[in-house]
Amino acid sequence: DAMVIQNPRYQVTQFGKPVTLSCSQTLNHNVMYWYQQKSSQAPKLLFHYYDKDFNNEADTPDNFQSRRPNTSFCFLDIRSPGLGDAAMYLCATSREGPYEQYFGPGTRLTVT
Amino acid sequence: DAKTTQPPSMDCAEGRAANLPCNHSTISGNEYVYWYRQIHSQGPQYIIHGLKNNETNEMASLIITEDRKSSTLILPHATLRDTAVYYCIVRANSKLTFGKGITLSVRP
Repeated sequence: DAMVIQNPRYQVTQFGKPVTLSCSQTLNHNVMYWYQQKSSQAPKLLFHYYDKDFNNEADTPDNFQSRRPNTSFCFLDIRSPGLGDAAMYLCATSREGPYEQYFGPGTRLTVT
Repeated sequence: DAKTTQPPSMDCAEGRAANLPCNHSTISGNEYVYWYRQIHSQGPQYIIHGLKNNETNEMASLIITEDRKSSTLILPHATLRDTAVYYCIVRANSKLTFGKGITLSVRP
């Protein structure tokens, strides 16, 4: 089945140690998104790609970066994780326009 | 994107219809109404969307008022697995802005 895959499902990193989360899709969608969801809060969009065109949300910290080497893969890099970055990170894909987004299961990040 | 307002929570009995309301009084003509849900510890799941007309799929029905200022998501026969946070979102482009949603609890 076509889907959005996130690895790993659970990630533990140390304070200040760079970490990379990955997302892949088999839907061949040209738009990919990264959301951050903290405990008991709604998902919050960090950035998204239209193909290789990167779009950062205005309030996304510089500590968060992303790479999209091809249509299928997208990475979230956190350069120096702080305790406040502990959250569920969700990847989603869609066709361009007001179409439904398909979400992966998320990666739960713990910062120690 | 227009803002939506949802009650914080509601419950319903298993097997009964669940009617989840949403207000979007500032919606503009090109904005769609989308519903997603998020079961605990999972990624959000698309349910249904509409522009002007009522819509139905295998999961739910979406009723949009004629003035488009409010809508209702209907789960015709709620089950325990429908317990989740349901998000009503109004959008005109690719981006989703999630509000607080409504927590639906289905009781046995």
